[in-house]
Amino acid sequence: EDKVVQSPLSLVVHEGDTVTLNCSYEVTNFRSLLWYKQEKKAPTFLFMLTSSGIEKKSGRLSSILDKKELFSILNITATQTGDSAVYLCAVFHPSGAGGTSYGKLTFGQGTILTVHP
Amino acid sequence: DAGITQSPRHKVTETGTPVTLRCHQTENHRYMYWYRQDPGHGLRLIHYSYGVKDTDKGEVSDGYSVSRSKTEDFLLTLESATSSQTSVYFCAISQGLAGGRNTQYFGPGTRLTVL
Repeated sequence: EDKVVQSPLSLVVHEGDTVTLNCSYEVTNFRSLLWYKQEKKAPTFLFMLTSSGIEKKSGRLSSILDKKELFSILNITATQTGDSAVYLCAVFHPSGAGGTSYGKLTFGQGTILTVHP
Repeated sequence: DAGITQSPRHKVTETGTPVTLRCHQTENHRYMYWYRQDPGHGLRLIHYSYGVKDTDKGEVSDGYSVSRSKTEDFLLTLESATSSQTSVYFCAISQGLAGGRNTQYFGPGTRLTVL
């Protein structure tokens, strides 16, 4: 069974702290791993990491994929209250029956990050 | 933001009534998806479409049907709503399956309550 597990499930920090969010996965036909941020509305796309294991950076956010150990981490440095959200990890693995193929995303449960002033 | 709208944004209905949710995109993306999001379960795929009139089931498709008569519109129908279908429903779109084209972008969501 395809599985994506995130940890911790929730995290409370103060502004300025650095946080590390974890995502491990077991899926068939892995293609890429995606991180989304969800703030009481639709998930918004942050990063996509391919099986090459490259590091992605965007301002204070960075992420690494370890394709050997089947996990990814999302780091947020110098956290701000605006970083408070649910962070979702999802693995893209094409799937489908009967000759069709679709972009299946299997999601983890999410990590709820709360940043206090 | 990707041009995706969902309607209605909120709906309250009664058990046994039919409900149709609409997803509309202006990006001309080939793939469209319907997910539901519930506490403790995360996002789960209900149905997806890989082209006009081409649809297939996801992991939680029981009780739902879909239709796609135009590239831009993907409809999700609950033929006879049940309380277990109370959830937040998200539509998503993607260009394709290769490389960066497989990134899925989400609509604003529809909060459905079945009493």
